[in-house]
Amino acid sequence: AQSVTQLGSHVSVSEGALVLLRCNYSSSVPPYLFWYVQYPNQGLQLLLKYTSAATLVKGINGFEAEFKKSETSFHLTKPSAHMSDAAEYFCAVSGSNTGKLIFGQGTTLQVKP
Amino acid sequence: NAGVTQTPKFRVLKTGQSMTLLCAQDMNHEYMYWYRQDPGMGLRLIHYSVGEGTTAKGEVPDGYNVSRLKKQNFLLGLESAAPSQTSVYFCASTILGRGSKDEQFFGPGTRLTVL
Repeated sequence: AQSVTQLGSHVSVSEGALVLLRCNYSSSVPPYLFWYVQYPNQGLQLLLKYTSAATLVKGINGFEAEFKKSETSFHLTKPSAHMSDAAEYFCAVSGSNTGKLIFGQGTTLQVKP
Repeated sequence: NAGVTQTPKFRVLKTGQSMTLLCAQDMNHEYMYWYRQDPGMGLRLIHYSVGEGTTAKGEVPDGYNVSRLKKQNFLLGLESAAPSQTSVYFCASTILGRGSKDEQFFGPGTRLTVL
């Protein structure tokens, strides 16, 4: 069975500060991991994905995430937050050949001026 | 390419009414999915399809039915709506071939309220 836990349902940072969104996963098979972003009243958009190549993955809009097998983590970071980063972020894991995604509960990122 | 589209965008139903949500994709994707999004619970898989004419249950299938008569369309039906089905529904699709490594492409969502 697979599961995802996102620590912190709400994260608030100041503009220009480091963004750190936490994701821990559980998987009985080698996982593929994804971060999606959802802007208000929109669908989900892929930020980045880990598919067993490099453990440090770079995505769009300056985000990156590091896969740490020993910690079963895939935390999302961005060195300097921008107002436009305010959104909800979802971590997801996939490991089956049907491509089904298991999502975390989401983290809302607030960016203060 | 329109990507993944969903109709309708909004709907209000009374308890016991039925409706069908339509998802269409123009990317020739083999796999399609229906999720529901509820506050604090992320997205949960309702049903999915791995090809035309095939469907399977996801995590929360009760109260829903689906059909995939054409490769590009995936329909989600509510036969007798209940207030617990008030949610935002998302359709997604992904290409066949590289399995679970592929990203899913999401539609804009349908906001359903059941009174």
